[in-house]
Amino acid sequence: AQTVTQSQPEMSVQEAETVTLSCTYDTSENNYYLFWYKQPPSRQMILVIRQEAYKQQNATENRFSVNFQKAAKSFSLKISDSQLGDTAMYFCAFMIGSGGSNYKLTFGKGTLLTVNP
Amino acid sequence: KAGVTQTPRYLIKTRGQQVTLSCSPISGHRSVSWYQQTPGQGLQFLFEYFSETQRNKGNFPGRFSGRQFSNSRSEMNVSTLELGDSALYLCASSLVASGFKTQYFGPGTRLLVL
Repeated sequence: AQTVTQSQPEMSVQEAETVTLSCTYDTSENNYYLFWYKQPPSRQMILVIRQEAYKQQNATENRFSVNFQKAAKSFSLKISDSQLGDTAMYFCAFMIGSGGSNYKLTFGKGTLLTVNP
Repeated sequence: KAGVTQTPRYLIKTRGQQVTLSCSPISGHRSVSWYQQTPGQGLQFLFEYFSETQRNKGNFPGRFSGRQFSNSRSEMNVSTLELGDSALYLCASSLVASGFKTQYFGPGTRLLVL
């Protein structure tokens, strides 16, 4: 079974600064996907970024980037130039890649990020 | 393209009743998954449907069931409601294509069981 651990229940950052959210996972699979989702107070779960395990290059999406360390089973999210709208709960999630029928996401407990003005 | 829609958005039921929640996926998406989110247990996978067939099921009692229609819309049903079923129920859809397994979520249905 896969597990996802987010060790930081809460974090805060000043507007315009950079913050890094941590995520580690445990799996015996070699082919998988990793995701970061954000859930603002509206409760809508929004995809932030995704990473395929077979790709060595770290994914980036505008101000969001990841540091994917496959051997260490680590998948951290860096948010640059933090904005007030980034305030949300951030979830790290894992999905097995092999097997076309496996569409189950395993989530971490989340990190509540607050961006202060 | 319209996103994933879920109805109703809010629901209040009493113990022992049953409830049906609906999810319409993004156009062209054929996989629909359901998740339960509670403060205590976090986000937990309920089940996933593709082509009207349940392909995966999480560790939930048989009171939780679902189905998918030919237009990919999905419903989930919870019978004999318990207080612990109070949660946010999230639906997610995926485009079933090689190497593309990203799930996109709807706004959720908040269920309160009294």
